[in-house]
Amino acid sequence: AQKITQTQPGMFVQEKEAVTLDCTYDTSDQSYGLFWYKQPSSGEMIFLIYQGSYDEQNATEGRYSLNFQKARKSANLVISASQLGDSAMYFCAMSDGGATNKLIFGTGTLLAVQP
Amino acid sequence: DTEVTQTPKHLVMGMTNKKSLKCEQHMGHRAMYWYKQKAKKPPELMFVYSYEKLSINESVPSRFSPECPNSSLLNLHLHALQPEDSALYLCASSHITGRHQPQHFGDGTRLSIL
Repeated sequence: AQKITQTQPGMFVQEKEAVTLDCTYDTSDQSYGLFWYKQPSSGEMIFLIYQGSYDEQNATEGRYSLNFQKARKSANLVISASQLGDSAMYFCAMSDGGATNKLIFGTGTLLAVQP
Repeated sequence: DTEVTQTPKHLVMGMTNKKSLKCEQHMGHRAMYWYKQKAKKPPELMFVYSYEKLSINESVPSRFSPECPNSSLLNLHLHALQPEDSALYLCASSHITGRHQPQHFGDGTRLSIL
C-alpha cells in the first residue's frame, strides 16, 4: 500500500530565508507522481509542483523546488526567499497514475513565516 | 482565482434539511473528485467520477449522494446529515489520460450541521 509521511507538524522560518519541508513516501509501484499542495487558512488547495518517478531532474516552479531522492524515497519541498504569504499548510501527495488518478496525502506541515 | 468553482462557499443546515453542493470546471478534465476535510487534517477522498461515471465510492454513507450531470459539473446532494459531517468539502478535477496528472481544487464549501 502507498503511504506518504510528513514528520514536521509545524515549521517556522524568517522572511526571505529558505525552508525545506520534508516528505517521504512508500510504494511498490515503479511509476508514480509526487505533488505538493499549499492550503492557506482560507481553505483552497493550491497545486504547487509535480515530480514524476521517471524524471531525472528535480522539478522547479518559481521559488518552489522539489528535492527528489528516489533511493531514499524522499520528495522534499524547498521554498526559497520565504514571504509572509507563504504561511499555510503544505501537503505532500502521491498518485499511482491508475485509471482514477487517486491521490494519497500526507498529514501536512503548517509553515509560519515570521517578519 | 481557481479554475474549479464551488458553490456555495458556506452552508449551514439542519439535520433534516436537503441541500446540494455544486462544482464546475471548464478545463476539459474528465475526472472529478469530492473530498471531505476536517480541520488540520488532510483531505479524505469520498467519490471519484471518471468520464461522468462513478468509479470510486470510499464507503461514504448514503446521506451523501454524488451526481455528475455532464463533464463539467459535479454535484453532492446532502440529506439527513449528522453534526460530525461538518467539514470543508473540496471538489477537484484532473485529466485522466497520460502520465500522473495534478488535481486542481476549488475553494471548497464550509459546511456546518446544526
